Amino acid sequence: EDQVTQSPEALRLQEGESSSLNCSYTVSGLRGLFWYRQDPGKGPEFLFTLYSAGEEKEKERLKATLTKKESFLHITAPKPEDSATYLCAVQAGAAGNKLTFGGGTRVLVKP
Amino acid sequence: DAGITQSPRHKVTETGTPVTLRCHQTENHRYMYWYRQDPGHGLRLIHYSYGVKDTDKGEVSDGYSVSRSKTEDFLLTLESATSSQTSVYFCAIRGTEETQYFGPGTRLLVL
Repeated sequence: EDQVTQSPEALRLQEGESSSLNCSYTVSGLRGLFWYRQDPGKGPEFLFTLYSAGEEKEKERLKATLTKKESFLHITAPKPEDSATYLCAVQAGAAGNKLTFGGGTRVLVKP
Repeated sequence: DAGITQSPRHKVTETGTPVTLRCHQTENHRYMYWYRQDPGHGLRLIHYSYGVKDTDKGEVSDGYSVSRSKTEDFLLTLESATSSQTSVYFCAIRGTEETQYFGPGTRLLVL
């Protein structure tokens, strides 16, 4: 059974204080690892897809990396508008493109 | 914005009543998904569709049925609502590179 574990559950940062979120996974045959951002009361918003170990992707202050067992989402010099819940999901196998999600990391960036 | 709307956005109902949630997309995507999101469980797949009249179960399908008679609409029905089905329901479509894009969600309260 595919499993995704995110840590920490919650993270409080001062504006400008860089940090990393972890997503550990067990899956047979990873097809893709996805990061989403979710604001309160809204649907998840797609950020990145990573397909193979060693791959990295960046968007503004966010950088996602992937190894064979985990992914990291690095937030560099965060701003209050980066406050959100960040979700990680994995896709394995071919049947229906099903995603298995982790529980998320709630990030609060204080000015 | 992947052109996904969900209706209703909020609903309060009573135990034992049937409830239907609607997901509508405007971009002719083949794959559509229904998830529920609950504290402590993250996002979990209920059912998905890979074409008109083609559907399959996800990990938490008991008590739910779906229908897709047109490409643009994917309906989720709670046949006899229970309090355990109080949740936030999200619809998603599969876009390019197998990425799923989510709708705004429906908050359902079953009393």
